Amino acid sequence: EPEVTQTPSHQVTQMGQEVILRCVPISNHLYFYWYRQILGQKVEFLVSFYNNEISEKSEIFDDQFSVERPDGSNFTLKIRSTKLEDSAMYFCASRGDRASYEQYFGPGTRLTVT
Amino acid sequence: GNSVTQMEGPVTLSEEAFLTINCTYTATGYPSLFWYVQYPGEGLQLLLKATKADDKGSNKGFEATYRKETTSFHLEKGSVQVSDSAVYFCALNDNQGGKLIFGQGTELSVKP
Repeated sequence: EPEVTQTPSHQVTQMGQEVILRCVPISNHLYFYWYRQILGQKVEFLVSFYNNEISEKSEIFDDQFSVERPDGSNFTLKIRSTKLEDSAMYFCASRGDRASYEQYFGPGTRLTVT
Repeated sequence: GNSVTQMEGPVTLSEEAFLTINCTYTATGYPSLFWYVQYPGEGLQLLLKATKADDKGSNKGFEATYRKETTSFHLEKGSVQVSDSAVYFCALNDNQGGKLIFGQGTELSVKP
């Protein structure tokens, strides 16, 4: 069964460093998302991406964040200068088409900023 | 704006007990509703969904009915197992933009 994959599973970085989180969505899906979950808190929407551009972003998704689909398979989230409060689990999700409401999630990347 | 509220956890049950996890929502329009499950150390898995009023979603013995009149989507299971121990998230889909809005999650612990 097709699945969303994410790498790395765990990333430790120092405050102020740049990190890139990688995702490979399900191959024929058209809509892509990033969410984050700070430990013990709810899952929060960051950004959605369709047709090679951002379709919606939350207040969390400020200028420090960017997303890219550099080729036909990868979908990346970059944090330019990490802060302690960026420590969280980051989930990538993909959705097939406009008529399909289900989003399929990857296993997540745990980001720890020290 | 749209929001989802779930009953607080943790919920601790004995094996074969009946489970209800309450979920209510606030939304404009007619969102789709979902339950996701997160097993320890894993990502989010779609458990079930309902896309319109009175729809019942079901999977693996779990059920939830989309109740527009009470804006609720409560999760139920007649007989829980130890393997059902996980965190359960209720969510709605913002049909305009597609993003999911999650409740705070309810941790379920099932004891043998």
